[in-house]
Amino acid sequence: KAGVTQTPRYLIKTRGQQVTLSCSPISGHRSVSWYQQTPGQGLQFLFEYFSETQRNKGNFPGRFSGRQFSNSRSEMNVSTLELGDSALYLCASSGGGQGAASGYTFGSGTRLTVV
Amino acid sequence: GESVGLHLPTLSVQEGDNSIINCAYSNSASDYFIWYKQESGKGPQFIIDIRSNMDKRQGQRVTVLLNKTVKHLSLQIAATQPGDSAVYFCAENTPSGYSTLTFGKGTMLLVSP
Repeated sequence: KAGVTQTPRYLIKTRGQQVTLSCSPISGHRSVSWYQQTPGQGLQFLFEYFSETQRNKGNFPGRFSGRQFSNSRSEMNVSTLELGDSALYLCASSGGGQGAASGYTFGSGTRLTVV
Repeated sequence: GESVGLHLPTLSVQEGDNSIINCAYSNSASDYFIWYKQESGKGPQFIIDIRSNMDKRQGQRVTVLLNKTVKHLSLQIAATQPGDSAVYFCAENTPSGYSTLTFGKGTMLLVSP
């Protein structure tokens, strides 16, 4: 079966702009989680969506937001980009039950560079 | 793709050696632990997991050991191969909600032929 698909793979944006990243989960998976990965901070949890509702949120500013559609595809948006937002953004899908982190499958990520 | 391992501790081994990668986790309430492997340009890939009611679990060429007393996790890779070269992360699940993992900083494993 197809894996988790993230688009685009690479993105270059200017400081102050906004960006939208997309994640298509594995068919049948209803939970999508987003992580930011940087060399200095490692993998940090952004938020998790399940059945179009945000179920968990990490410690990121309000400039980071997301949503999930009825087909479970998810988007995350970053507004007013800062240089420090340059990172690899990963999404992971799972079936979504409690403890569903056990069923995480990650996509290959979107590499965002802010200049 | 750009490396995620620029600031990571590195373990260098020869092909055929056994490798041990260590991880200290943060929350004594965590009930589930996972090891991931991340190759350059790819997302993390599941290797093996262990629940907190166990202290050892074996897979194919890999063994995970859990010491809850000192909050320590290790990944042992037998007969390490060049294809095992990657960054390895441990992750813990704390039962305060759904689908949230806290990841360690990672260790880069370099295997020389």
